[in-house]
Amino acid sequence: DQQVKQNSPSLSVQEGRISILNCDYTNSMFDYFLWYKKYPAEGPTFLISISSIKDKNEDGRFTVFLNKSAKHLSLHIVPSQPGDSAVYFCAASGSGSARQLTFGSGTQLTVLP
Amino acid sequence: ETGVTQTPRHLVMGMTNKKSLKCEQHLGHNAMYWYKQSAKKPLELMFVYNFKEQTENNSVPSRFSPECPNSSHLFLHLHTLQPEDSALYLCASSLDPRSYNEQFFGPGTRLTVL
Repeated sequence: DQQVKQNSPSLSVQEGRISILNCDYTNSMFDYFLWYKKYPAEGPTFLISISSIKDKNEDGRFTVFLNKSAKHLSLHIVPSQPGDSAVYFCAASGSGSARQLTFGSGTQLTVLP
Repeated sequence: ETGVTQTPRHLVMGMTNKKSLKCEQHLGHNAMYWYKQSAKKPLELMFVYNFKEQTENNSVPSRFSPECPNSSHLFLHLHTLQPEDSALYLCASSLDPRSYNEQFFGPGTRLTVL
């Protein structure tokens, strides 16, 4: 059973508009969440993270929102650029049995020029 | 360039072959990881090494044998694999072995088992 779920395998957005990628988790032991970005033929690269003590973290065009009660997080990219086209992985970790980094299956974002 | 390199980038092998995947990190990190990524599936953690000692083995079949001679190098020895083992194998490292956060990944080895 997947503890981190990305229910949208793909998303297409027009250049300049907002991209919203969603992620849900089930393990209440998770207290740290990360987004990774992966281009073809490359490994995932760290993008942005958020601790469970916060509900928002912003870094330039990228903002991650965390809703602990709903066990939901989202990544907002504004404005979207064609170079943002990649697979985005949500990941979570915590303490004890949840200390390993658990990944979602990824969402392919395509930003159309 | 993440500071983590993997060789080879592509590997095709028969079920009776023996091959090895190599990972090297130039970041001074203390923890190294092997992940498997099959098509349309999440990354699956296989092994974790902290300060050269294996600390995690996620029920990986014995046909996969890891080796960590030092904190900078990690190998995955493969023998008598099955076609379902075909996948992208990713190596990662992190500074703090107590935390799995913010791992740096290599580009991966695309493995095909015939």
